[in-house]
Amino acid sequence: AQSVAQPEDQVNVAEGNPLTVKCTYSVSGNPYLFWYVQYPNRGLQFLLKYITGDNLVKGSYGFEAEFNKSQTSFHLKKPSALVSDSALYFCAATFEGGGNKLTFGTGTQLKVEL
Amino acid sequence: GAVVSQHPSRVICKSGTSVKIECRSLDFQATTMFWYRQFPKQSLMLMATSNEGSKATYEQGVEKDKFLINHASLTLSTLTVTSAHPEDSSFYICSATDLFSTAYEQYFGPGTRLTVT
Repeated sequence: AQSVAQPEDQVNVAEGNPLTVKCTYSVSGNPYLFWYVQYPNRGLQFLLKYITGDNLVKGSYGFEAEFNKSQTSFHLKKPSALVSDSALYFCAATFEGGGNKLTFGTGTQLKVEL
Repeated sequence: GAVVSQHPSRVICKSGTSVKIECRSLDFQATTMFWYRQFPKQSLMLMATSNEGSKATYEQGVEKDKFLINHASLTLSTLTVTSAHPEDSSFYICSATDLFSTAYEQYFGPGTRLTVT
């Protein structure tokens, strides 16, 4: 069975500092990995995805994520956090040949403070 | 591109009534649409997967007679909560995948807040 883990319920970071939101996954076969962001009372917005190719994926709003096959991780990063980045972040996964049904992590609340 | 809308954004209904939520893909054809439920400060719980022209596939524990899903066209899916009760109050989110995309990416609607009084 597929699973996605986001070990931190909340991450706090000061504006201007780098941020990392952690994600590990367990899927059968080659993983397809996604990060989404959710603002209060809104749907999910796509940030980035890894399907194949370079392990470092660049996405929207300056976010990037690094696919690490040996550690089965796909951590979300940003070099310099903004207060407006404060939101709920979800990691999701499926796998090659597994159809398009995503398994979501439990979400990490990011709080960026001045 | 790849915009998904939901209507209504908020709905309040009385216990025992039914409410319909629409999910539309505005600028693409959706092979598959998904319906999720989200409780406060929790992750998304997949309720069902619907493919155009066929019956929806419900996740374990989801009552198909209570949550009726119809996917009549490649751009529209509806979720009807029948005989709603206060415990059905939640945030319902739909998503869709593009017929012509192979990237497994889901495009999400803005969500519908259902409150049952």
